[in-house]
Amino acid sequence: EDKVVQSPLSLVVHEGDTVTLNCSYEVTNFRSLLWYKQEKKAPTFLFMLTSSGIEKKSGRLSSILDKKELSSILNITATQTGDSAIYLCAVEYSSASKIIFGSGTRLSIRP
Amino acid sequence: DSGVTQTPKHLITATGQRVTLRCSPRSGDLSVYWYQQSLDQGLQFLIQYYNGEERAKGNILERFSAQQFPDLHSELNLSSLELGDSALYFCASSVGTGDTQYFGPGTRLTVL
Repeated sequence: EDKVVQSPLSLVVHEGDTVTLNCSYEVTNFRSLLWYKQEKKAPTFLFMLTSSGIEKKSGRLSSILDKKELSSILNITATQTGDSAIYLCAVEYSSASKIIFGSGTRLSIRP
Repeated sequence: DSGVTQTPKHLITATGQRVTLRCSPRSGDLSVYWYQQSLDQGLQFLIQYYNGEERAKGNILERFSAQQFPDLHSELNLSSLELGDSALYFCASSVGTGDTQYFGPGTRLTVL
């Protein structure tokens, strides 16, 4: 069964801390892995990782794809209260371009 | 603002009814995706259209159907509604398949 698993489910840290969110997957014909941030409304795109682009960075956020371990991490350094959100990992797979989401990690940043 | 628009924002209806949700993609995007997000199921991919043709199918019930029109807007039809269909329905668009998806604000459906 194709699946995407995120850990931890929930994380509470203090402002300024560094956090690492995990995403592992088991799918057939992997195509890409995507990270999204969801606050109160719709998800907003963070990164797309593919076989040809296994590391991405934008400001305090960075992500790495480990195709051997079938996993990805999302790092956030010097966290701010505005980083509080649910972080979703999704994997696009199969020749039919199906998409499956993990259940998300709820990140709370305390001032 | 992602550039993807969805109407209506909220919809309240009764069990057994039929509703239509509408999505207009970003200018230039050919792909439209539909997702359902409920508290117990999380975000679920329903279906994707590319330039008017169905491209991929996810966990879409037989009571649900969708289409993409020549002007590239898309509609999701939900029929014989059940209480469990209450959820937030998102539309997303991208240039092609496998490209970054931009989500609309969603339509919140409540079935009473």
